[in-house]
Amino acid sequence: SQTIHQWPATLVQPVGSPLSLECTVEGTSNPNLYWYRQAAGRGLQLLFYSVGIGQISSEVPQNLSASRPQDRQFILSSKKLLLSDSGFYLCAWSVPGIYTFGSGTRLTVV
Amino acid sequence: AQSVSQHNHHVILSEAASLELGCNYSYGGTVNLFWYVQYPGQHLQLLLKYFSGDPLVKGIKGFEAEFIKSKFSFNLRKPSVQWSDTAEYFCAVNAGSGYALNFGKGTSLLVTP
Repeated sequence: SQTIHQWPATLVQPVGSPLSLECTVEGTSNPNLYWYRQAAGRGLQLLFYSVGIGQISSEVPQNLSASRPQDRQFILSSKKLLLSDSGFYLCAWSVPGIYTFGSGTRLTVV
Repeated sequence: AQSVSQHNHHVILSEAASLELGCNYSYGGTVNLFWYVQYPGQHLQLLLKYFSGDPLVKGIKGFEAEFIKSKFSFNLRKPSVQWSDTAEYFCAVNAGSGYALNFGKGTSLLVTP
């Protein structure tokens, strides 16, 4: 079956520290992969998407970056976190017409 | 700019009341439309989707939505809500050759007993 794993579930990080959130997909090949952020009162904002290994498109300029080292692995990173990076981060994958979301990571930057 | 608008940010209803949540989008051309629900502490779940065909779409848990192309709208409805429908509801659009879903800001629904 098709599943998506996202970890950690919660994370508290100090301002200026690095970030690495990982997402892996099982049961499908060559999916499109996405990182969304859900901030309070702002809905779901698309951050990055990838249509293949090493191919990353950024939707919103910021101090975050994404990488796709393998077909079913998508990583969200930051070298130095800001307070404004706090939020709920969702990974998702899609094949035509079907979108599946991970369980999310609650990031609090303190 | 392309956008998805959900008009009601917070809705409070009594059980058995009827529900209609508005969603409008500003994309031209072919669109695929979705409604997702997020229950407290749970994943986003797909309620229903429209790709083509009958503009009145039936989803899970008694929800339905109507695509009105001339109004660029895809409103979500349920004739009689239950306490268990308390959740956040998101409208989303996938436009033309685009890959990603673009979401509205969400509507928080509270159903009181």
